[in-house]
Amino acid sequence: EDQVTQSPEALRLQEGESSSLNCSYTVSGLRGLFWYRQDPGKGPEFLFTLYSAGEEKEKERLKATLTKKESFLHITAPKPEDSATYLCAVKGYSTLTFGKGTMLLVSP
Amino acid sequence: NAGVTQTPKFRVLKTGQSMTLLCAQDMNHEYMYWYRQDPGMGLRLIHYSVGEGTTAKGEVPDGYNVSRLKKQNFLLGLESAAPSQTSVYFCASSYRTPSSYNEQFFGPGTRLTVL
Repeated sequence: EDQVTQSPEALRLQEGESSSLNCSYTVSGLRGLFWYRQDPGKGPEFLFTLYSAGEEKEKERLKATLTKKESFLHITAPKPEDSATYLCAVKGYSTLTFGKGTMLLVSP
Repeated sequence: NAGVTQTPKFRVLKTGQSMTLLCAQDMNHEYMYWYRQDPGMGLRLIHYSVGEGTTAKGEVPDGYNVSRLKKQNFLLGLESAAPSQTSVYFCASSYRTPSSYNEQFFGPGTRLTVL
């Protein structure tokens, strides 16, 4: 059974204070690891797909990295508008499995 | 493009009532999915479809039925609603390529309360 564990559950940062979110996973035959952003009352919004260990992708202040056991979402100099819940999901031989998410709050 | 749309946005049911949630996508995606999201549980797959006329069970299918009569629509039905089905329901869709698994695009959600 595929499993995804995200940590921390919640994270509070000051504007400009960089940090990282963790996604640890166990999966039978990784076919993709996905990061999504979810704002309150809305559906998840796709951010990145990573397919193999060592791969990295960037978008504005966000950078996602992947190893054989975990993925990190690095947030550099965050702004209040980066406040959201960040979801990690993995695709193995079965359907997509989501983690419970990390709720990020960035204060001005 | 509207992307993925869901109808209705909110609904309150009494125990035992039935209802249908409608999902529509205009991206010509082959795959469509229904999830539920509950506090502390994350997103859980209810049913999915890999093409028109096909459906399959996900992680939590009991109490739900689905139909995909048209490629662009995916319906989720509750035959006899129970309080345990109080949740936020999300529809998603994705396209298919031979060699990779692609990201899912989500709708805005339907908040369902069963009294």
